[in-house]
Amino acid sequence: DAGVIQSPRHEVTEMGQEVTLRCKPISGHDYLFWYRQTMMRGLELLIYFNNNVPIDDSGMPEDRFSAKMPNASFSTLKIQPSEPRDSAVYFCASLGTEETQYFGPGTRLLVL
Amino acid sequence: GENVEQHPSTLSVQEGDSAVIKCTYSDSASNYFPWYKQELGKRPQLIIDIRSNVGEKKDQRIAVTLNKTAKHFSLHITETQPEDSAVYFCAASIDTNAGKSTFGDGTTLTVKP
Repeated sequence: DAGVIQSPRHEVTEMGQEVTLRCKPISGHDYLFWYRQTMMRGLELLIYFNNNVPIDDSGMPEDRFSAKMPNASFSTLKIQPSEPRDSAVYFCASLGTEETQYFGPGTRLLVL
Repeated sequence: GENVEQHPSTLSVQEGDSAVIKCTYSDSASNYFPWYKQELGKRPQLIIDIRSNVGEKKDQRIAVTLNKTAKHFSLHITETQPEDSAVYFCAASIDTNAGKSTFGDGTTLTVKP
């Protein structure tokens, strides 16, 4: 298995633009997590899904952030409009029956 | 909800010395405690974990201990090497099947050669 796949790996955009981050979980994993990591705030859980259904989105910072999981092999995290304070590394992780979360390589987002 | 506190935030040791990182949690229902290592510019990766029915677990130079009564658990690294330098995160899960882990703030470990 290729592990958790995220795209793009790097994204540079201007304030006000829409940003879409993508994640493909490990096949067979039924949980998917989106995290944001910054120096100031550490690793924050934004939202997680179970069987494609959002379970807890209490970590989503505001209405500018939205996440979807249309099927078991794909999820998106969208920021619209983006702001400089959204600059961070965004990790996707998936979990199966082992209780271990496997993280993707992350997307490094810079909003100018 | 669960609250996980991790100490110290930074730790510097000499190569060959031991390193200990401690975490406390608030919810007594937590029963799964993983530790992740994140090297610079890389993703967090699981290095060891422990369940609440076990007091200690070892894997070569790494060990984790759990004190359920006191609600704290610790990561022990012996004979540290420069490649152990990284950020280490502890986490606690209330429901092991739900997978939602609450993470500590991380400890930056530097091993000086």
